[in-house]
Amino acid sequence: DSGVTQTPKHLITATGQRVTLRCSPRSGDLSVYWYQQSLDQGLQFLIQYYNGEERAKGNILERFSAQQFPDLHSELNLSSLELGDSALYFCASSVGEGKGTEAFFGQGTRLTVV
Amino acid sequence: GDSVTQMEGPVTLSEEAFLTINCTYTATGYPSLFWYVQYPGEGLQLLLKATKADDKGSNKGFEATYRKETTSFHLEKGSVQVSDSAVYFCALTDSSYKLIFGSGTRLLVRP
Repeated sequence: DSGVTQTPKHLITATGQRVTLRCSPRSGDLSVYWYQQSLDQGLQFLIQYYNGEERAKGNILERFSAQQFPDLHSELNLSSLELGDSALYFCASSVGEGKGTEAFFGQGTRLTVV
Repeated sequence: GDSVTQMEGPVTLSEEAFLTINCTYTATGYPSLFWYVQYPGEGLQLLLKATKADDKGSNKGFEATYRKETTSFHLEKGSVQVSDSAVYFCALTDSSYKLIFGSGTRLLVRP
């Protein structure tokens, strides 16, 4: 158990809908990262927050947004969903920032858009 | 931008065989390098890491050496077990500290 909790584990929704994925980082970790894992794109970095502030942005669509709350949990909001958004979404957390900092991953949320 | 290239799988080996999974990287500056493992139905777990040139990371019999001259971080294990069957990801942290992953290599170890 990595200590990172993601809910829900599975989500099935229709095209055009909006969903929210939730992540609780390990106790004491200030950084949260979101990744998308799909068969054709591999593991893609979406966005990072550190202590409530957005730190880095990757290949995140405009239809997607995220935030980190004062209690450090994070939510990833996906709207106007398309079939191609079906993927495994991972959250990871780390104590701080730094090149050698280890990131701990949750078990992921599997999103299926039908 | 920074990137990681790793050998395509799947890699199929018999138990107790020697494992090498190649990984090379392109980066500005001096990244840290990682190997993560993903077992079926689970998230990624850090297997080992190296933060500077010539460092060797090791864990659970796996090893990888940070080679700056060849920009490589190949994963090796002397004797694989069935329980090592998983997907292995090579990764680096770039200047903004986010992890950039390779495409993953699936390892299947047969009894």
